[in-house]
Amino acid sequence: QITLKESGPTLVKPTQTLTLTCTFSGFSLSTSGVGVGWIRQPPGKALEWLAVIYWNDDKRYSPSLKSRLAITKDTSRNQVVLEMTSMDPLDSATYFCAHNIFTTTTSGFHHWGLGTLVTVSS
Amino acid sequence: QTVVTQEPSFSVSPGGSVTLTCGLNSGSVSTFYYPSWYQQTPGQAPRILIYNTNTRSSGVPDRFSGSILGNKAALTITGAQPYDESDYYCGLFMGSGIWVFGGGTKLTVL
Repeated sequence: QITLKESGPTLVKPTQTLTLTCTFSGFSLSTSGVGVGWIRQPPGKALEWLAVIYWNDDKRYSPSLKSRLAITKDTSRNQVVLEMTSMDPLDSATYFCAHNIFTTTTSGFHHWGLGTLVTVSS
Repeated sequence: QTVVTQEPSFSVSPGGSVTLTCGLNSGSVSTFYYPSWYQQTPGQAPRILIYNTNTRSSGVPDRFSGSILGNKAALTITGAQPYDESDYYCGLFMGSGIWVFGGGTKLTVL
């Protein structure tokens, strides 16, 4: 059974750096084709893909946020960390991590964490 | 900038069929974008329904089907049920290795 859980601060101040951790189980980030992605959703708005890191340490970022994001993995601890700098109230959202697969037969975000709500306010 | 377009809202009668679409502001959606579809109810995490254009995820009823219609990806729900009332998002894998989600379609069943 695959599970993912997001953790991190619920409140950050403008200009601060947000650090979120995704702790997962039921799969290995050293398996070919496997990745973990981050997606956010402001209240009442649409999903926005942020970043993904793959088994081979390939990292991809949303072009509009690339300068502010950094994604890393700790395969031995089954964790993926996302950092977002220069936080702004517009970054207030529920942040999800999700299990991603990209192989010749499978793609997409197949398992999601419950999400963590982050509010940016002074 | 890549923009994935979806109908903001759609309404279907119980038992009826509806097709939601997923397009690109520039160009056509093809299987090479590996379209996927997600269902989200309020307060819940998204759930994958379809991946690789037309493959149903495990446990998804065959009332849900995916396809390419013209220049868009499409999600068709046949025999809509009241509990299908949700937000539906499509996701596309771009050639540069990034993913993009559409703006979502709010489906009402009444």
